[in-house]
Amino acid sequence: GAVVSQHPSRVICKSGTSVKIECRSLDFQATTMFWYRQFPKQSLMLMATSNEGSKATYEQGVEKDKFLINHASLTLSTLTVTSAHPEDSSFYICSAMAPGETQYFGPGTRLLVL
Amino acid sequence: SQQGEEDPQALSIQEGENATMNCSYKTSINNLQWYRQNSGRGLVHLILIRSNEREKHSGRLRVTLDTSKKSSSLLITASRAADTASYFCATDAAGANSKLTFGKGITLSVRP
Repeated sequence: GAVVSQHPSRVICKSGTSVKIECRSLDFQATTMFWYRQFPKQSLMLMATSNEGSKATYEQGVEKDKFLINHASLTLSTLTVTSAHPEDSSFYICSAMAPGETQYFGPGTRLLVL
Repeated sequence: SQQGEEDPQALSIQEGENATMNCSYKTSINNLQWYRQNSGRGLVHLILIRSNEREKHSGRLRVTLDTSKKSSSLLITASRAADTASYFCATDAAGANSKLTFGKGITLSVRP
């Protein structure tokens, strides 16, 4: 099946710094990528939908200036958590989708903000 | 309100037994999918069932879909300790541009 990677898998940072997370589709071109956040023992919550070459569409309640999403190519989307704070600590998961296909999920990135 | 509500929230069974997990949803859907997540890991896609399908099998997995009741069930037969994980249903709602809405998940523990 299709493979989606995320980097880094785990990151610890100080409060106030920015963190960039990469999501790559390794063997297919993803016209759409999705970013999710998952708090401990909770479900995945969709943060935003990212289409290649256009601005991301954010879900209600997600601050677009805090969670910057760039989808510059058909195989790469990045999520930057700007001025991270402890409450941003979470598990961030991306998924990638080719037209007419199902979503393929990355392994996730665990962010811990001290 | 969240689409996709699974029950039970937690299930503990003995190895070899069958595990049945249910999911209900609220809106019309294009398809419903089941995923597995091991602790601290990403999602593994298990099975997709389309709105015009009623039942689907994949190995030890059997999924049913009842669109009139807006519900689905996932049956894992002859469970193994390795099946211990969280299971989520996710709906691709009609007109939602392929966005998935996940349920809260079911924690399955299979005792060896």
